[in-house]
Amino acid sequence: EVQLVESGGGLVQPGGSLRLSCAASGFTFSNYWMTWVRQAPGKGLEWVASIKQSESDKYYEDSVKGRFTISRDNAKNSLYLQMNSLSAEDTAVYYCARRQNVACDSWGQGTLVTVS
Amino acid sequence: QSALTQPPSASGSPGQSVTISCTGTSSDVGGYNYVSWYQQRPGKAPKLMIYEVSKRPSGVPDRFSGSKFGNTASLTVSGLQAEDEADYYCSSYAGSNAYVFGTGTKVTVL
Repeated sequence: EVQLVESGGGLVQPGGSLRLSCAASGFTFSNYWMTWVRQAPGKGLEWVASIKQSESDKYYEDSVKGRFTISRDNAKNSLYLQMNSLSAEDTAVYYCARRQNVACDSWGQGTLVTVS
Repeated sequence: QSALTQPPSASGSPGQSVTISCTGTSSDVGGYNYVSWYQQRPGKAPKLMIYEVSKRPSGVPDRFSGSKFGNTASLTVSGLQAEDEADYYCSSYAGSNAYVFGTGTKVTVL
């Protein structure tokens, strides 16, 4: 069974940093693109970043470019999101998701990041 | 990228059908056959219901179907059931390895 478990969320002050982690199991992690998607309280879904299997290619939504860094460790079956220069607009539940067929076919339960 | 446009709400009685639209541009929905649909129940993670416009992942009932015409994609839920009550989001590839989601539609089963 595919499992994705996010961690690392919490309360951080504006301008601060936070590193999210996503532990993957139940599939061959190194074979898949991975993605971070966020959802502000009471709002819709927003794509944040994606990373290729080998970490050679990374892509970001415009509002997080230069502030967020997506990375992965295939040996540890883990995905990360380093978030710097956080603002109130970054407050959201952050989901990690596996990408297959240009869609997110498995999702974690999410981790809440509050910037205040 | 701007969010894809969905109606805020849709409703139907049990057994009826409901169709949700998702309007984008030629740079996203109209330009690629990579539209997906997600169901999200309150307090839960999204669940993939449709990918590549009209394909269903294993385990998704065939009551769910997807289509696309021009810059607008649609999700139809036939034979509505109480368990279908949820928020639904479309998503599209937008080129250059970027993605865009829709504004979301709350489906109510009357």
